[in-house]
Amino acid sequence: SAVISQKPSRDICQRGTSLTIQCQVDSQVTMMFWYRQQPGQSLTLIATANQGSEATYESGFVIDKFPISRPNLTFSTLTVSNMSPEDSSIYLCSVVAGSTDTQYFGPGTRLTVL
Amino acid sequence: AQSVTQPDIHITVSEGASLELRCNYSYGATPYLFWYVQSPGQGLQLLLKYFSGDTLVQGIKGFEAEFKRSQSSFNLRKPSVHWSDAAEYFCAVGAAGTNAGKSTFGDGTTLTVKP
Repeated sequence: SAVISQKPSRDICQRGTSLTIQCQVDSQVTMMFWYRQQPGQSLTLIATANQGSEATYESGFVIDKFPISRPNLTFSTLTVSNMSPEDSSIYLCSVVAGSTDTQYFGPGTRLTVL
Repeated sequence: AQSVTQPDIHITVSEGASLELRCNYSYGATPYLFWYVQSPGQGLQLLLKYFSGDTLVQGIKGFEAEFKRSQSSFNLRKPSVHWSDAAEYFCAVGAAGTNAGKSTFGDGTTLTVKP
């Protein structure tokens, strides 16, 4: 299994500012992902955080808005840039670990943009 | 493209009653299927998963799910619901290998448990 922690757990931010969310895993993992859960909605994959190379973004998400770093196999950051109220969501870090490709999720970061 | 449909947005059951949450999926190959639970203010917890083999899968907290390829379904069941089961439940479809972790989630079903 994998235990994932995220910082901060929640934040309230002003429009136009940026927030960086940290994700720490208790073991080395190859695959790490960032998901978004907008209020009352399901989870949507933002991007795959690749160690040693640029992140791979899903349709509708761009690097300028959601820059991602992955300096090693246990850590990643997601920045939400130039925030607007529409960015108010829960952002979840996720990893795949184990021989059966099981996916694990962090506790999420609840972001409110005013 | 893969997709997941959870037809029931909200379900209410009495404590002790049985539960079935529906999930239908669309996927081009053999799917990897998951059920997660999310309690208010909490992250997602994996209840169970189906990769291959026995189509009846046992999970944590007394939950089980049955994979029916002919119906493209993966319904979640529990014989007797507890008040602590009240939460949001998500069905997801994914893959293994290089596409592992890129899951598609349903819109979720909110479960309310009446005393």
